[in-house]
Amino acid sequence: NAGVTQTPKFQVLKTGQSMTLQCAQDMNHEYMSWYRQDPGMGLRLIHYSVGAGITDQGEVPNGYNVSRSTTEDFPLRLLSAAPSQTSVYFCASRQFGTGDWGTEAFFGQGTRLTVV
Amino acid sequence: GENVEQHPSTLSVQEGDSAVIKCTYSDSASNYFPWYKQELGKRPQLIIDIRSNVGEKKDQRIAVTLNKTAKHFSLHITETQPEDSAVYFCAEKIAGGTSYGKLTFGQGTILTVHP
Repeated sequence: NAGVTQTPKFQVLKTGQSMTLQCAQDMNHEYMSWYRQDPGMGLRLIHYSVGAGITDQGEVPNGYNVSRSTTEDFPLRLLSAAPSQTSVYFCASRQFGTGDWGTEAFFGQGTRLTVV
Repeated sequence: GENVEQHPSTLSVQEGDSAVIKCTYSDSASNYFPWYKQELGKRPQLIIDIRSNVGEKKDQRIAVTLNKTAKHFSLHITETQPEDSAVYFCAEKIAGGTSYGKLTFGQGTILTVHP
């Protein structure tokens, strides 16, 4: 199993450009999410999905769109990049636990995005 | 709502000493509390977790304790080694409701173990 795969690893965008960060998992996990990591801010949830066709907003959704057409894929789209979106982005997936207990989240290797 | 406060933001210890990182949460419906370790330039990885029906869990040199009354949980690392140097994140998951499935993370603690 490859686990969670993110592409690209690095990206530089100009202000106003759009792009899609790709995330794929091969563990048949129901739950997928996108986080951004900024110094001193921890991991902040952007969007998440509890299954194909279902998405919801997290803590910092503005400027980002997601879709979940398959169990495996959960792309994150930046609509019009801004310098404030310079960050490291992580995709994560996990199974739902029995009885609503939590389970381990598996992270992708991250995408370092710079918006100039 | 979900809110996790993590302290300290940085922690420096000598090799062999113990390290303790504490997180507080606000929602009494929180039922799962994992800890993640992130080495420089790498992805976060789970090191230990605890459910709300357990007060303490140990795995070799690491342990997690949960105090539901005070709404805080702590990571304890004993006999620290230089390879323990990393950023540590606590997290919580709230049971059911509109927050179903979401993990909320603390701000992170940079642990440095000096040889």
